[in-house]
Amino acid sequence: DAKTTQPNSMESNEEEPVHLPCNHSTISGTDYIHWYRQLPSQGPEYVIHGLTSNVNNRMASLAIAEDRKSSTLILHRATLRDAAVYYCILRDDYGGSQGNLIFGKGTKLSVKP
Amino acid sequence: DSGVTQTPKHLITATGQRVTLRCSPRSGDLSVYWYQQSLDQGLQFLIQYYNGEERAKGNILERFSAQQFPDLHSELNLSSLELGDSALYFCASSVAWATNEKLFFGSGTQLSVL
Repeated sequence: DAKTTQPNSMESNEEEPVHLPCNHSTISGTDYIHWYRQLPSQGPEYVIHGLTSNVNNRMASLAIAEDRKSSTLILHRATLRDAAVYYCILRDDYGGSQGNLIFGKGTKLSVKP
Repeated sequence: DSGVTQTPKHLITATGQRVTLRCSPRSGDLSVYWYQQSLDQGLQFLIQYYNGEERAKGNILERFSAQQFPDLHSELNLSSLELGDSALYFCASSVAWATNEKLFFGSGTQLSVL
């Protein structure tokens, strides 16, 4: 299974943009890049996903490098409610994961008022 | 609200006992997933069912079993419980199992084994 590497923690100020990086140098052509987040005492929550092109939705933007070996989750204006652990996950149909979401340790984002 | 319902929210039991956790997926979702989250292991994928059939297995112990019923709700059975089984258990659902699909997670069942 292709793996991802994320910083353990990041800090941001409220109402400023946040760029959460993810490296996935062994990504294959059919792997989708998914981002989930987990707020304290809650289940994981879908944020965004993409394959090759950059993606935008109401929660965030996903910028994917041209070689797909890295991606960045962008929160345009961080709020206190965005403080969570953010997981970058590759989903593939082959290998032991059989397409399932395999969570790593993620990045713990702290947002300061 | 994700639309995925898990019951009970909290469960306290003793070592050696057996418990059943229940999950109702979002309306229309055919896949159900179970995850375990403990402080030392993080979020671990246990098992996936699709339309009543087991589709994928992760790090599920032999003491644990699951099933998905014709109405698509799922149950996770944990037996011969040990202290180390204390964890948050999450259920998730999705329409099918394509790798570009979103998963929707419930709020979890907190299991405490004393």
